[in-house]
Amino acid sequence: GDSVTQMEGPVTLSEEAFLTINCTYTATGYPSLFWYVQYPGEGLQLLLKATKADDKGSNKGFEATYRKETTSFHLEKGSVQVSDSAVYFCALSGLEYNQGGKLIFGQGTELSVKP
Amino acid sequence: EAQVTQNPRYLITVTGKKLTVTCSQNMNHEYMSWYRQDPGLGLRQIYYSMNVEVTDKGDVPEGYKVSRKEKRNFPLILESPSPNQTSLYFCASSLGPWTASSYNSPLHFGNGTRLTVT
Repeated sequence: GDSVTQMEGPVTLSEEAFLTINCTYTATGYPSLFWYVQYPGEGLQLLLKATKADDKGSNKGFEATYRKETTSFHLEKGSVQVSDSAVYFCALSGLEYNQGGKLIFGQGTELSVKP
Repeated sequence: EAQVTQNPRYLITVTGKKLTVTCSQNMNHEYMSWYRQDPGLGLRQIYYSMNVEVTDKGDVPEGYKVSRKEKRNFPLILESPSPNQTSLYFCASSLGPWTASSYNSPLHFGNGTRLTVT
């Protein structure tokens, strides 16, 4: 079945460092890909998405490119801030209606940014 | 303010004592869903609902029930909780199940309910 694999955390970086969180997926067809972020004590929020190969999603300085050839959707940010400390989830969803809108999540990667 | 509200935020209970976690959204969303979050496993879908009186099983429905009598509410019911249901639960909603295709209608998540069953 469809699945998402993320790099394990926690990831600890200093402020202004470059961030990469790896995400690879297995899916039939052509899923949409997402990054969600979960701040402490809160629910998940959509960070960015891409719906087809070579699309680049971007938001708040974060970027991810849908790479069909490597089945990857790595999250990057050029200069992290303390406020970026959170858990990041990669997810995919098929387009078929009968999949019930289900998002398939990776296990999450905790990011801690130190001043 | 558009939001998904879950209650309670924290719940400690004992094995076998029926409980309900409430979920309400104020966005007139048709689609609602419950997920559980466990370390190392990410989020897994428990049940979902396409609309009022329409519900279906997700990946891990055993031990749970849901109902959708009104559009805004989607309670999660544990008839006889067991320790393996100790988890962090999230309710989510969106305009429709096609949320993946609509950047204007992502899933909106509640803040979670941390359940401990002893």
